[in-house]
Amino acid sequence: KAGVTQTPRYLIKTRGQQVTLSCSPISGHRSVSWYQQTPGQGLQFLFEYFSETQRNKGNFPGRFSGRQFSNSRSEMNVSTLELGDSALYLCASSLGVDEQFFGPGTRLTVL
Amino acid sequence: GENVEQHPSTLSVQEGDSAVIKCTYSDSASNYFPWYKQELGKGPQLIIDIRSNVGEKKDQRIAVTLNKTAKHFSLHITETQPEDSAVYFCAARDSSASKIIFGSGTRLSIRP
Repeated sequence: KAGVTQTPRYLIKTRGQQVTLSCSPISGHRSVSWYQQTPGQGLQFLFEYFSETQRNKGNFPGRFSGRQFSNSRSEMNVSTLELGDSALYLCASSLGVDEQFFGPGTRLTVL
Repeated sequence: GENVEQHPSTLSVQEGDSAVIKCTYSDSASNYFPWYKQELGKGPQLIIDIRSNVGEKKDQRIAVTLNKTAKHFSLHITETQPEDSAVYFCAARDSSASKIIFGSGTRLSIRP
């Protein structure tokens, strides 16, 4: 069974731009969570989607948004990029409410 | 909400020795505690987890213990090998929501 895939793997943007990241969960998994990982803040929860509905949200500004499609694929969008948004963005999928399986992440660099 | 603290932040052990990483959590209602291993350039990989109705769980060289009274749980790696070098994260599921809160990570280095 294929794992969680994320595209693109690397991305370079400039301040003020917006970016869209994509995540394809493990087949059959309906829950997708997004995390931001930085050296200073560690792994921080962004949001979780289940059956196309946002089920939970972390403490991030409204510039961070996401959605989930009927095939469970998910996208997250960051608008008006800031230097501090440079991070590894991780997507995790789960079948139930507990075990989460992570993708390799998208490394976003904001210049 | 849940808060997870992890210690130590770095750990260096001789190959073949044991390594122990400790975590504490704040929400007494939390009931799921996973451990993840993250290698360079990769996403975190679930290596073992434990639920609150169990005190200890073992999988080959890896074991996790949970003390609900003290609200702490630990990861034990025995007979460490070079491939155990990585960053390890503990986590706990926030009982008030479906999100998982992570500890700050432990960088484990295995000395040959």
